[in-house]
Amino acid sequence: DQQVKQNSPSLSVQEGRISILNCDYTNSMFDYFLWYKKYPAEGPTFLISISSIKDKNEDGRFTVFLNKSAKHLSLHIVPSQPGDSAVYFCAARNPGGYQKVTFGTGTKLQVIP
Amino acid sequence: DAGVIQSPRHEVTEMGQEVTLRCKPISGHNSLFWYRQTMMRGLELLIYFNNNVPIDDSGMPEDRFSAKMPNASFSTLKIQPSEPRDSAVYFCASTYLRQGRSPLHFGNGTRLTVT
Repeated sequence: DQQVKQNSPSLSVQEGRISILNCDYTNSMFDYFLWYKKYPAEGPTFLISISSIKDKNEDGRFTVFLNKSAKHLSLHIVPSQPGDSAVYFCAARNPGGYQKVTFGTGTKLQVIP
Repeated sequence: DAGVIQSPRHEVTEMGQEVTLRCKPISGHNSLFWYRQTMMRGLELLIYFNNNVPIDDSGMPEDRFSAKMPNASFSTLKIQPSEPRDSAVYFCASTYLRQGRSPLHFGNGTRLTVT
């Protein structure tokens, strides 16, 4: 039972354009959402997060939007750069104590120069 | 800060053999996680330790899997006996658990191939 779903396994975008990565979740109890970025042969690294009480969080070229009613979040990268080419994992945290974080299956982003 | 260190980076073994994966968390972190990455299921949480104590092992797939954390600077994940379906990339991650935002810091993973 995938509680966090990334339905697009891959995405190609031209350099300079906007990249939009989507994520859906089923558990309304999730209270915190994160995006991780993963390069080949490396572990995932934290990118940006958003609390369930907010609908937007911005950090430089990266913005995460949360639509709680739709149980949907998205990561926008503007402008996209070739170095952004990686696998992006959406993750959600269960409330109530330790950091049980559920990850999606990932979306592979390719930014074409 | 050396980051989370995992060894070996690659492991190839035959079905039925015992496999031990090792992890050194970041110094000062009090929480350690073992994840498994597969194409179909993404990153699955196997087990979580807090202050060296296993808190949640509900993600451990079978009794063939076991994990230990004898001290704050070392953890192992053991598979005995290994099977081809165990082939995956295994990640260890650590963090300092506190109220609020504590992103996980991942190691570079161990790619396990069971033939």
